[in-house]
Amino acid sequence: GDSVTQMEGPVTLSEEAFLTINCTYTATGYPSLFWYVQYPGEGLQLLLKATKADDKGSNKGFEATYRKETTSFHLEKGSVQVSDSAVYFCALSVTNFDDKIIFGKGTRLHILP
Amino acid sequence: KAGVTQTPRYLIKTRGQQVTLSCSPISGHRSVSWYQQTPGQGLQFLFEYFSETQRNKGNFPGRFSGRQFSNSRSEMNVSTLELGDSALYLCASSPTGTPGTDTQYFGPGTRLTVL
Repeated sequence: GDSVTQMEGPVTLSEEAFLTINCTYTATGYPSLFWYVQYPGEGLQLLLKATKADDKGSNKGFEATYRKETTSFHLEKGSVQVSDSAVYFCALSVTNFDDKIIFGKGTRLHILP
Repeated sequence: KAGVTQTPRYLIKTRGQQVTLSCSPISGHRSVSWYQQTPGQGLQFLFEYFSETQRNKGNFPGRFSGRQFSNSRSEMNVSTLELGDSALYLCASSPTGTPGTDTQYFGPGTRLTVL
């Protein structure tokens, strides 16, 4: 079945370090891909998305490129801040007629000042 | 524009009881989805409603049910609660329920604890 695999955390980095969180997927159709972020005590927020191969989603300095050949959607940021500390979820949706989203397990990110 | 609201935010129940959670979507949004979040299983899709009709359902037992009203507000019900039902229940809304074109907006969740 459809699934998302992302690197396990926690990931701990120093402020201004480069961030990569790996995400790969398995899907029967042509999925849309998403990164969601969950700050402590809050619900999920959509960080970025890409709907077709080679699309690049970007927001708040984060980027991810939809790589169909490697079935990947890795999240990157050039210089992280303490305020980026949160849990990041990679996700996909393969249907065009409903709102079902399949999430990865999440990666907790700690940024040290 | 007000965001997705969920009530109550916290709930404590005992095994065998039933519980009803409520979700008010963003005004104009017709699709409401529910997810269960636990440390072990992560985020799992429960069901999605669009214009008062359930369009999709996840792999959960029949104890989990939901409905949507004509104003798009949604409720989910869990009967005969089990300890394993302790989780954060998240509701999300979107205009038409097409993830590729719409953005799902999540509420803050209802934290259910079953004792």
